[in-house]
Amino acid sequence: QVQLQQSGPGLVKPSQTLSLTCAISGDSVSSNSAAWNWIRQSPSRGLEWLGRTYYRSKWYNDYAVSVKSRITINPDTSKNQFSLQLNSVTPEDTAVYYCARGPTPGIAAAGDFDYWGQGTLVTVSS
Amino acid sequence: NFMLTQPHSVSESPGKTVTISCTRSSGSIASNYVQWYQQRPGSAPTTVIYEDNQRPSGVPDRFSGSIDSSSNSASLTISGLKTEDEADYYCQSYDSSNHGDVVFGGGTKLTVL
Repeated sequence: QVQLQQSGPGLVKPSQTLSLTCAISGDSVSSNSAAWNWIRQSPSRGLEWLGRTYYRSKWYNDYAVSVKSRITINPDTSKNQFSLQLNSVTPEDTAVYYCARGPTPGIAAAGDFDYWGQGTLVTVSS
Repeated sequence: NFMLTQPHSVSESPGKTVTISCTRSSGSIASNYVQWYQQRPGSAPTTVIYEDNQRPSGVPDRFSGSIDSSSNSASLTISGLKTEDEADYYCQSYDSSNHGDVVFGGGTKLTVL
């Protein structure tokens, strides 16, 4: 059974960096058949996909256009986890952040986000 | 990117059937698989339909999915409604013109009264 365990602070000051980690059990961050995603949810923006990392002979990252200039997602193979960093946050980045396992990306992408972390409410406030 | 538009809310009585629509703004709905997620308050979303019309194990056959190219939309149908079906439902697809980026609908609040 795959489990995703999120960790990280729930309060971040404006202009600072939001950092979250998602520890994986029951699968590998280096899996050749999965991608590891960050998704957030807020009342104003609904569910919003932020980006993913995945390994297919080498590491790839894809990021949503809305956050592309501010986001970094990194795998950590030694700890079997992946992380999210979102720079220069504003109150609009206040949301519940989820990590999730998803399918192989591409023009013929198929499948769902079948495992999710527990969610972390991150509030951006001074 | 395209958008997926869902009704904000729907309501129906127990035992009845309800259909939630998800309309794609541009490009063909049939171009990319559609998934449907159920989300109860305080919990992460869970899949009720994947790849247009497939049910994960454990999801009752009261849940079904379909796509309609004429209206460029996907639909989630729940028959024999139960009070436990009351939740938010989200559709999701992929944008193959943008390396498979993920697109979510805005969500539909289902009330079973």
